[in-house]
Order: sequence, then C-alpha cells, then structure tokens
Amino acid sequence: GAGVSQSPSNKVTEKGKDVELRCDPISGHTALYWYRQSLGQGLEFLIYFQGNSAPDKSGLPSDRFSAERTGGSVSTLTIQRTQQEDSAVYLCASSFQGAYEQYFGPGTRLTVT
Amino acid sequence: DQQVKQNSPSLSVQEGRISILNCDYTNSMFDYFLWYKKYPAEGPTFLISISSIKDKNEDGRFTVFLNKSAKHLSLHIVPSQPGDSAVYFCAARKGGSEKLVFGKGMKLTVNP
Repeated sequence: GAGVSQSPSNKVTEKGKDVELRCDPISGHTALYWYRQSLGQGLEFLIYFQGNSAPDKSGLPSDRFSAERTGGSVSTLTIQRTQQEDSAVYLCASSFQGAYEQYFGPGTRLTVT
Repeated sequence: DQQVKQNSPSLSVQEGRISILNCDYTNSMFDYFLWYKKYPAEGPTFLISISSIKDKNEDGRFTVFLNKSAKHLSLHIVPSQPGDSAVYFCAARKGGSEKLVFGKGMKLTVNP
C-alpha cells in the first residue's frame, strides 16, 4: 500500500515569501505529525493532529508557522515570510491512534535564499 | 536542552561484526523508546522499540537494551551488513504524549 507522501520534494524560495508544504498520510491513520530536521540536528516536533481534536501546536517555532488538516486526511504546513533559518527538511508522519510507531514521508527540503 | 542524546556522530564497523549504537536521555518521564533508520533522501523508517517496563527487546539481528537507572539505551546489530549503513535516530516518548523526542542521529558505516 501507499506510504506517506509529501510534496514538493524540494522547494527553493526567497526570504520573505510564503510557502506551503503538503502531506498525504497513510489511509486510515488518524494521527498526523510534522517535524523538521535542520542541518546537523535531530528531528524537531512541530505540530500533531489527532482526529477532530484540537491540534497540539506546542512545537511551532513562531506565529509564522501554521498547519491545517482538512477532512482528517491531507495536511498543509504553511510558513509565512520565510527566513533563512527556516531552511530544513520538513517531515510528515502518520500513525494509528495510540500507536507508538510513526510512519514518515520522504520529506520536503526547503531552502530559503 | 537536549533530552535525547546520541553523543557519537558516527561509527564504522566491518561487515559481520557487531555494531553498538548508544543513546542517553535525561527525562525520567520517558516510557517508550524507538530506533529509526534513515537512508539519504528518504524519511526515517521504524526499526525497533522498547517499553520502559522491559530491559531488552530483540528482533532478528537487532536488539535494544534499556538501562533505566542509567537512563541509557543501546542498539546492537549483529552481524552487521553493508545495507545497514544509514543514519540511526534514537527517539523517546513520554507517557500521555504523542510526540517523539529525537536525538541528533548517528551515521553507521558497515564496510564490506
């Protein structure tokens, strides 16, 4: 079956522009997570969606970051007024509710010039 | 404040030998630990996990050991194979929390 997919795979944008990153989770997975990995760092939690519950936004680094999950499936992470420090690989993961194992997509490599 | 630490950035071993990857954590509220493997340009893939109520979990060539008193876990791969060459991430989860806290990763190279 299909795994988690993310688009685009690479995105280069100019400082100050807005970007949207998309995640399609595994069908049937009710939990969806966004992480980012900056150069030389581990994965940093950003936001978590579970069903119709309010998302856990505790990892979002600033109010320039927001995310939506429409219809309990596809999610979009939006970064407004991008800064160079936003350059990273943005990873999406999904899982069944309550499951410990999260399944990751290939990531979107964002470069802010 | 790094709650999950992988202090060695890289490890190189010969094919057939044992690979030992270490991970330390500081938060005693963590009750579940996972290892992920990541190849270049791919997302991390789940490898093996262990609950804090256990001290060992084995799956084929992979064994994870947990020492709660030392807040230390390790992943043993034996025998190591060239296809095991990847970056390995240690991750931990607190009871009642859905998010994973990751270490910085360790690059394992298995030489033929």
